[in-house]
Amino acid sequence: SYELTQPPSVSVSPGQTARITCSGDKLGDKYVCWYQQKPGRSPVLVMYQDSKRPSGIPARFSGSNSGNTATLTISGTQAVDEADYYCQAWDRIAVFGGGTKLTVL
Amino acid sequence: QVQLQESGPGLVKSSETVSLNCTVSGGSIGGFYWTWIRQPPGKGLEWIGYIDDRGYTKYNGSLKSRAAISVDTSENHFSLRLNSVTAADTAVYYCARSPTFGVVIEHYFDYWGQGILGAVSS
Repeated sequence: SYELTQPPSVSVSPGQTARITCSGDKLGDKYVCWYQQKPGRSPVLVMYQDSKRPSGIPARFSGSNSGNTATLTISGTQAVDEADYYCQAWDRIAVFGGGTKLTVL
Repeated sequence: QVQLQESGPGLVKSSETVSLNCTVSGGSIGGFYWTWIRQPPGKGLEWIGYIDDRGYTKYNGSLKSRAAISVDTSENHFSLRLNSVTAADTAVYYCARSPTFGVVIEHYFDYWGQGILGAVSS
């Protein structure tokens, strides 16, 4: 079965750039999306089709996908961005990465 | 604004069947795909399966045919039945929507319910 691998945690200082990676075999051939989940809340879509932002998602969020790695980039990270982030792709079923806890120190 | 709301029993006994409902408001069930996703406490997300408004379904094989999703377009809701549950099925269950481009499903989830905890007791 297809697997997506994310780092368990990423730390960033406020105002700096956070990069969260998601790796999978030939992932660049698939569309990747990203969800943000805060404690006790439902996931929120923050990026779809690799690099498209849904309405209402700040422009500091961007995405890319090439080769075996997709990346969610948060520029000028704010304290409000602290959350768990999950990547997701489709390989006959929806597959999620294990999640990355973003800490804004 | 589309809203999804899960409902159902919070606790079931091991080996029984859990039935969950997702009511869609602010929009029609028609023209979209409707999904169930679960998240065990402290863990990641697992896709269970989806259904479209015609009743076409697709499931995660890891559930070994224990899941069944149905839709009631007249009531604007869809449902999940998961049989032979064990403690491993204890999770927050989310319903979610996948948009379509024409008749083709877009494989991401743009609206989510608030989630409902489904706990299995021994």
